[in-house]
Amino acid sequence: DSGVTQTPKHLITATGQRVTLRCSPRSGDLSVYWYQQSLDQGLQFLIQYYNGEERAKGNILERFSAQQFPDLHSELNLSSLELGDSALYFCASSDRLGRTDTQYFGPGTRLTVL
Amino acid sequence: AQTVTQSQPEMSVQEAETVTLSCTYDTSESDYYLFWYKQPPSRQMILVIRQEAYKQQNATENRFSVNFQKAAKSFSLKISDSQLGDAAMYFCAYRSAGSYGKLTFGQGTILTVHP
Repeated sequence: DSGVTQTPKHLITATGQRVTLRCSPRSGDLSVYWYQQSLDQGLQFLIQYYNGEERAKGNILERFSAQQFPDLHSELNLSSLELGDSALYFCASSDRLGRTDTQYFGPGTRLTVL
Repeated sequence: AQTVTQSQPEMSVQEAETVTLSCTYDTSESDYYLFWYKQPPSRQMILVIRQEAYKQQNATENRFSVNFQKAAKSFSLKISDSQLGDAAMYFCAYRSAGSYGKLTFGQGTILTVHP
């Protein structure tokens, strides 16, 4: 158990809908990362937050957004869902920016868009 | 942009034997970190081992060790005394020391362990 929690574990929804994925980092970790794992794209970095502020953006679609709250949990919002958004979404956390940063992953949320 | 390549989509090993998974990367940076993550059927991503590019000594964690060849941009993972529980997808990942922590992953290698 990495100490990172993600809810829900599974999510099934229809095209055009909007969903919210939630992540709670390890106790004391200030940095949260979101990754998407799909069959055709592999594992891709989406976005990073550090202590409530966005720090880096990867291949995140405009239909997707994220935020980190004062209690450090993070939410990834996916809207106008398409079939191709079906994937495993991981959250990872680390304790700080810097040289010794190691990311620990949550169990993931499996999103199925029908 | 950095890229990570795992040229072996699948590998297999007999229980108690040794297997080596390959990884190459492309970067113009001199300071970075490399990682191996394991993803078993549960889909959880588990950190196996990490290597700092500025350290010449190869990292070791119990039965897991790496062969880091900086000039060749090669980072292979050796699993000794393979166990059934080692069966998983293994991902090689790169992180720049100057970035805010984004990991760039290879395509993964599926490891099968035969009893």
